[in-house]
Amino acid sequence: ETGVTQTPRHLVMGMTNKKSLKCEQHLGHNAMYWYKQSAKKPLELMFVYNFKEQTENNSVPSRFSPECPNSSHLFLHLHTLQPEDSALYLCASSQDTGKGGDEQYFGPGTRLTVT
Amino acid sequence: LAKTTQPISMDSYEGQEVNITCSHNNIATNDYITWYQQFPSQGPRFIIQGYKTKVTNEVASLFIPADRKSSTLSLPRVSLSDTAVYYCLVNMNTGFQKLVFGTGTRLLVSP
Repeated sequence: ETGVTQTPRHLVMGMTNKKSLKCEQHLGHNAMYWYKQSAKKPLELMFVYNFKEQTENNSVPSRFSPECPNSSHLFLHLHTLQPEDSALYLCASSQDTGKGGDEQYFGPGTRLTVT
Repeated sequence: LAKTTQPISMDSYEGQEVNITCSHNNIATNDYITWYQQFPSQGPRFIIQGYKTKVTNEVASLFIPADRKSSTLSLPRVSLSDTAVYYCLVNMNTGFQKLVFGTGTRLLVSP
């Protein structure tokens, strides 16, 4: 248990569906992140939020829409995805993005399959 | 951002010491070196972090030479459960922290 939970753990969706991934951290951290991990590829940083404000959008397609209503919750809204979007989506949190010595705590991930 | 280079894979046996070296020739003055471990279908887990010389915690040691252009993660007496992918990261200690993961080193521990 890392203190970061993600739901659902597995998701299968069609290309025309709309779904949302949820992340919750119980660590009192101020920064939250979304990463994508495809098969045989390195983790890719997608979005970063610090104190509920988005500070990084790593050229992510608009079919991925993040939402951070408060410092403890992070959502990733999905719509009209493509099969190549199938991957493990990981959420992470850290105390603050302003410090290099800032350890990130990862959730277990959501395994997404787009059919 | 400094680029890191690690071996793609390593093999070991239970009870042996494993040393994984990471090259980061472009490391900047303010950069820290951090290692993460990832098991299949799980998120990465922080192992250890250092800036220079040697750092040790309950699971690993991190050796950083004076020029800081490389670092070595040392896992003492590995067990089967240490089979995982290990990532070396270099990240700044000021301003926005952006973690860039490489392909990592896949460690296989056999009986």
